[in-house]
Amino acid sequence: DQQVKQNSPSLSVQEGRISILNCDYTNSMFDYFLWYKKYPAEGPTFLISISSIKDKNEDGRFTVFLNKSAKHLSLHIVPSQPGDSAVYFCAAPHYGGSQGNLIFGKGTKLSVKP
Amino acid sequence: DAGVTQSPTHLIKTRGQQVTLRCSPISGHKSVSWYQQVLGQGPQFIFQYYEKEERGRGNFPDRFSARQFPNYSSELNVNALLLGDSALYLCASSFNPSGGNTIYFGEGSWLTVV
Repeated sequence: DQQVKQNSPSLSVQEGRISILNCDYTNSMFDYFLWYKKYPAEGPTFLISISSIKDKNEDGRFTVFLNKSAKHLSLHIVPSQPGDSAVYFCAAPHYGGSQGNLIFGKGTKLSVKP
Repeated sequence: DAGVTQSPTHLIKTRGQQVTLRCSPISGHKSVSWYQQVLGQGPQFIFQYYEKEERGRGNFPDRFSARQFPNYSSELNVNALLLGDSALYLCASSFNPSGGNTIYFGEGSWLTVV
């Protein structure tokens, strides 16, 4: 029973264009969401987060949008750069648990081509 | 400052054996979480410890156990290893259990069970 779903295993975009990574969730009690980026042979690194009281959060080239009615969030990267090539994970804290207990999606591998 | 450090980085074990993985959190961080990442999946929560007490446990069999020491470092133990335990084991630390965007991951310990 996957509560956080990333249905696209991979995405390829051209350098300078927009990358859009999608994430769906099933538990309407989730109230906080995070995106992590993972390079090979490294641990995940925090990228950006959003609280359920907002519908958008922006940090430089990265923007996360939250649509609570659709239980959907997306990460936009503009403009995409080759260094953005990595696996991106969407995650939410387990409801009723601490934020050290995160539920992750399966990840989307982003390839940004020069 | 040192990040989250894990040891060993790679190890190979035989079915039925036992393994101990170690984690040193970032200085000042009192919460440590353990995750298992199987190839092609997102990290899956195993345990969280805070101030040496278990704060959460994921859906893993009793063969998995952990503890946290007075210096906040932690060990994950897995007994009676199965082939399916082959995975990347990630340790994450944060100042307190509520630190969603301040959870830092180590590079992980790659375990191969043959």
